[in-house]
Amino acid sequence: DIQMTQSPSTLSASVGDRVTITCRASQNINIWLAWYQQKSGKAPKLLIYRASTLETGVPSRFSGTGSGTDFTLTISSLHPDDFATYYCQQYHSYYSFGQGTKLGIK
Amino acid sequence: QLQLQESGPGLVKPSESLSLTCTVTGDSIITTAYYWGWVRQSPGEGLEWLGTISSSGDTLYNPSLKSRLSISMDTSKNHFSLTLSSVTAADTALYYCARVHAPGVVRGGEFDPWGQGTLVTVSS
Repeated sequence: DIQMTQSPSTLSASVGDRVTITCRASQNINIWLAWYQQKSGKAPKLLIYRASTLETGVPSRFSGTGSGTDFTLTISSLHPDDFATYYCQQYHSYYSFGQGTKLGIK
Repeated sequence: QLQLQESGPGLVKPSESLSLTCTVTGDSIITTAYYWGWVRQSPGEGLEWLGTISSSGDTLYNPSLKSRLSISMDTSKNHFSLTLSSVTAADTALYYCARVHAPGVVRGGEFDPWGQGTLVTVSS
């Protein structure tokens, strides 16, 4: 099984801040990684796939980088709508998700 | 517009089977570009992939649940279903269905979109 570990688990930031979330895979997953945003009481929403490709309609302040085992999700300038929980997911071998990073208001 | 809607009982007794259905509108579940999957989220916890089914009916299950899990599809009703046997309190969760991009050159493995989820509680 491929384990996905996100850091930090919780993060506090302010509107306008630049934020980075890290996801590490327990083995090489190439670029087969997606990022999701989940707001309270809602289903996850796909933000990025193939590690760095922005899903249609997702604001350009979101970006993803990485390959192999280490990946990052960056929000260049936080908007009020961005406070949510973020998950990474690998699809190199079966599927598995990170434990999530809860982004809250400082 | 593609929509997925989960349905099924909200309360299941321990040791019984949990059965859910995901009805898809706006696309056919036999399209080869996509698979169809189930993910659950225990209260206050993260996401756990359960299993997926391809347009041809091939299934892939989370190894930790494989002995208790079955996913099937009914193309005449354009829906797919999940059955989880011998449930315990640990199976209490919000169950989501989702479309999964089939493996390809550009995409393959992303879950998008998702249903709104249905809460299943295991309790006597």
